[in-house]
Amino acid sequence: DAGVTQSPTHLIKTRGQHVTLRCSPISGHKSVSWYQQVLGQGPQFIFQYYEKEERGRGNFPDRFSARQFPNYSSELNVNALLLGDSALYLCASSLRTGNTEAFFGQGTRLTVV
Amino acid sequence: DQQVKQNSPSLSVQEGRISILNCDYTNSMFDYFLWYKKYPAEGPTFLISISSIKDKNEDGRFTVFLNKSAKHLSLHIVPSQPGDSAVYFCAASRWLSGGGADGLTFGKGTHLIIQP
Repeated sequence: DAGVTQSPTHLIKTRGQHVTLRCSPISGHKSVSWYQQVLGQGPQFIFQYYEKEERGRGNFPDRFSARQFPNYSSELNVNALLLGDSALYLCASSLRTGNTEAFFGQGTRLTVV
Repeated sequence: DQQVKQNSPSLSVQEGRISILNCDYTNSMFDYFLWYKKYPAEGPTFLISISSIKDKNEDGRFTVFLNKSAKHLSLHIVPSQPGDSAVYFCAASRWLSGGGADGLTFGKGTHLIIQP
């Protein structure tokens, strides 16, 4: 069975640009969450989606947005990129919101120059 | 304000001995706790979890202990093996009144090094 897949694996963008990151959850999983991990820190919660609705949001500016599609895949969008947005972006899927296990993808490494 | 704290950035343990990783939290509203293991260039891998109504949970070589009064949990790995060398993250979450659970709050991680 395929795990959580994220694309692209690496990305380099210029300050001020826009970026879209993609995530496909494990088959049968209906909840997708996004996390940002900067060097030396633990992952920080950005968004949680379940059944195409936003169920939770972390402390991130409005430049960050996300959505979930009918097939439960998800996109994370970041506008007006800043140097500080450089990080590993992780997607996690779970059967349903409230599930005690979240399975993570390998992440997308975003570098803003 | 860091709600989940892992105060040891690294820990070195001899192969075959017990590894004990510690985690403290400040938010008494957390309802369950998880441990994840992360290798470089990979996403975190779920290891074990514990609900706040329990004080111990075991899965093979891994045991998690929860002390709610001290707001402290620990992960024990017995016996430690070379493949256990990785960064270990403690995470916590809480149930929401409208159903479901909040996103995970992670600590900064502890780098466990198993020496032969």
